[in-house]
Amino acid sequence: AQSVAQPEDQVNVAEGNPLTVKCTYSVSGNPYLFWYVQYPNRGLQFLLKYITGDNLVKGSYGFEAEFNKSQTSFHLKKPSALVSDSALYFCAVRDTSNTGKLIFGQGTTLQVKP
Amino acid sequence: EAGVAQSPRYKIIEKRQSVAFWCNPISGHATLYWYQQILGQGPKLLIQFQNNGVVDDSQLPKDRFSAERLKGVDSTLKIQPAKLEDSAVYLCASSLGWGRAETQYFGPGTRLLVL
Repeated sequence: AQSVAQPEDQVNVAEGNPLTVKCTYSVSGNPYLFWYVQYPNRGLQFLLKYITGDNLVKGSYGFEAEFNKSQTSFHLKKPSALVSDSALYFCAVRDTSNTGKLIFGQGTTLQVKP
Repeated sequence: EAGVAQSPRYKIIEKRQSVAFWCNPISGHATLYWYQQILGQGPKLLIQFQNNGVVDDSQLPKDRFSAERLKGVDSTLKIQPAKLEDSAVYLCASSLGWGRAETQYFGPGTRLLVL
């Protein structure tokens, strides 16, 4: 069965420092991976996705993610964190069934302190 | 381009009552999804429509939940009767198609509290 794990419930980082939010996945076949961000009382906003090609994917708001097939990981990164990046981040993998539903991790809260 | 619209944003009901949520997807998007997000968890798919046909409703509790997308555009999700464990955020999403590379775009959600 397909699954996604986000091993950290919360990540704390100082403003201006690099940040990493971790994600590992389990899927049969080629993975289609997504990152979303959720601000309080709002829906999920799409950040970026990996479909194929370059292992480093660039997305919105300066975020990027590195796909590592051997480690089955898709970590979200940003070179310099902003206080406004503080939010809940979800990693998701597309199911390999015909419907292709998204399977989400449990989420990681990112706290950026000034 | 307007995003996915949902209403109401908040709803408080007592257990055994009924409730309905409405979603209008991004214009031109053929695929519509309803997800349930329980506090502290990631969203879980309840039902997926392609135009007005159901593609996946395997995780929809059909004894109490129902959904329709009659004209292939907007959709309604209903719970009758509601249970305490239905307290959650109900998210609607849409995508152009249902290929695996398609990006799903989410609405703001409806926060339901069942007392």
